[in-house]
Amino acid sequence: ETGVTQTPRHLVMGMTNKKSLKCEQHLGHNAMYWYKQSAKKPLELMFVYSLEERVENNSVPSRFSPECPNSSHLFLHLHTLQPEDSALYLCASSPETGRSTGELFFGEGSRLTVL
Amino acid sequence: AQRVTQPEKLLSVFKGAPVELKCNYSYSGSPELFWYVQYSRQRLQLLLRHISRESIKGFTADLNKGETSFHLKKPFAQEEDSAMYYCALNKGSSNTGKLIFGQGTTLQVKP
Repeated sequence: ETGVTQTPRHLVMGMTNKKSLKCEQHLGHNAMYWYKQSAKKPLELMFVYSLEERVENNSVPSRFSPECPNSSHLFLHLHTLQPEDSALYLCASSPETGRSTGELFFGEGSRLTVL
Repeated sequence: AQRVTQPEKLLSVFKGAPVELKCNYSYSGSPELFWYVQYSRQRLQLLLRHISRESIKGFTADLNKGETSFHLKKPFAQEEDSAMYYCALNKGSSNTGKLIFGQGTTLQVKP
């Protein structure tokens, strides 16, 4: 499969659960991102990884824990979330090298509902 | 503060009418701006970037630093243009995807 793939597409969890979102890119990119899209709010950048090193943590609560084991995979580990964390979580990748144009390639998103 | 504002949540036009989707930004440095589009049941994708100064699917956008605007325009709307449009500002260097997005405008093109 090509492009950016996110699993699961839908997730319902309780506030005490631990779950993870997974993102995989087959584009040979060096940078990966997590964005959050809540209702009535703009897309918000959460985390940026460049060459598997976290380069941005946009004041995200510690109940969200990212992991980037290699340049093709990105995880978002979720623990003791709140109902207000219900949102669409989008993964993206980009070349982020000298030839980058700043263009992001997005996955289809993981729709999270916290009960 | 770095911010992108799209004042219209919904823009509805008839096929063949001109379209202008508004975007204003607030940024202290030299801005790098983009328009992204999301068609129904498709993923978010890049439409155009200001540095390319290109026309994509008939859309153009000009950066106006004096008015801090980057409005998206098309002279004759088509039904297939119906989608959600997001204006975005790159807050990092040109090599990064640290984008700040506006809230988006839904464009509805009626037959």
